[in-house]
Amino acid sequence: ELKVEQNPLFLSMQEGKNYTIYCNYSTTSDRLYWYRQDPGKSLESLFVLLSNGAVKQEGRLMASLDTKARLSTLHITAAVHDLSATYFCAVDRGGSEKLVFGKGTKLTVNP
Amino acid sequence: DSGVTQTPKHLITATGQRVTLRCSPRSGDLSVYWYQQSLDQGLQFLIQYYNGEERAKGNILERFSAQQFPDLHSELNLSSLELGDSALYFCASSAEGHPGANVLTFGAGSRLTVL
Repeated sequence: ELKVEQNPLFLSMQEGKNYTIYCNYSTTSDRLYWYRQDPGKSLESLFVLLSNGAVKQEGRLMASLDTKARLSTLHITAAVHDLSATYFCAVDRGGSEKLVFGKGTKLTVNP
Repeated sequence: DSGVTQTPKHLITATGQRVTLRCSPRSGDLSVYWYQQSLDQGLQFLIQYYNGEERAKGNILERFSAQQFPDLHSELNLSSLELGDSALYFCASSAEGHPGANVLTFGAGSRLTVL
């Protein structure tokens, strides 16, 4: 059974600081996704990582994938309040194991 | 607007009752997925349909059922409701079948409260 673990689950940081969210998964996969969810809202796709060593960047967020270590990271650079949200990673092995989500990391950026 | 439409947005009902949640996928998407989001369980995959056929099944209770119609909209039926069924139910769609990434586009969700 595919398991996806994120840490930390809660992250409170100050504006301007850097931090990394980690996503580990239990079985081989080379398709990893990051989503963002604002409170009471839907999930929005942020990044799709499809191969070992893939790196994607959008603004202050950068995601990377190491399929050998079964690890993805979401790095936040110089955080701003607008980044406050819950971030989910999800892994897709195809077949019957559809997109399996981590529990999410609730990020709060304080002024 | 993601292009995935879910109705109703909010639903309050009593234990033992039955409800139907509806989803219209994004134009051109053939796959529809249902997820349940609760505080204790997180986001749980329930079921997927592809072009009218059930493609994959996750942690869906026997009291729950779903179908996808010829016009590709989908319905999730929840019966004999229990307090623990209170959750946010998301529908998502994708153009699965194409090579490469299978990015899901989520609807706004249907919040079910069982009293």
